[in-house]
Amino acid sequence: DAGITQSPRHKVTETGTPVTLRCHQTENHRYMYWYRQDPGHGLRLIHYSYGVKDTDKGEVSDGYSVSRSKTEDFLLTLESATSSQTSVYFCASTGDSSNQPQHFGDGTRLSIL
Amino acid sequence: ELKVEQNPLFLSMQEGKNYTIYCNYSTTSDRLYWYRQDPGKSLESLFVLLSNGAVKQEGRLMASLDTKARLSTLHITAAVHDLSATYFCAVGPSGSARQLTFGSGTQLTVLP
Repeated sequence: DAGITQSPRHKVTETGTPVTLRCHQTENHRYMYWYRQDPGHGLRLIHYSYGVKDTDKGEVSDGYSVSRSKTEDFLLTLESATSSQTSVYFCASTGDSSNQPQHFGDGTRLSIL
Repeated sequence: ELKVEQNPLFLSMQEGKNYTIYCNYSTTSDRLYWYRQDPGKSLESLFVLLSNGAVKQEGRLMASLDTKARLSTLHITAAVHDLSATYFCAVGPSGSARQLTFGSGTQLTVLP
């Protein structure tokens, strides 16, 4: 399986503060993704990247930004966190072949009070 | 916009029984994936289906894809308690940058 790690694993913060979540993969995958998982909604795509400095918006991108300065790292930033952004966030990566599924990190549980 | 619908959303079944989870999607796709998620855990890839008529089997689980009907099924044979988990299908629209749209998931509970 792909080596993909997320940090932090848990975070509690207050409304209005900035938050950055980190995703690191060691498989040299071209594509990386950030999802949020909420009850009743499955996984929803926030942003994705198709190469270094190449990113695009997903289904629920409002209030989030991303950066990818190196192949292995993909950062998700909440510029001013709101309670509606309380969720579990998953990072995933995959390579160029359709035979490769997306491989997921262990998730970050984010609570915004 | 691609929509992916799974049903049922909740499934409670007895050990030893068979059942099928359905995944319908709304637009042309050339790839479909099934994942498993245990409570509080990450998603684990189960199957990759890339062509019409594709069938994959692993243990008591078998997945199939009908691209003309825009339908995939995940069939469970002689269920055991260890299969209790949430199962997601995910569909990638043709020509996309490898993005996936996920179904809402089917929460499976296998009762002794």
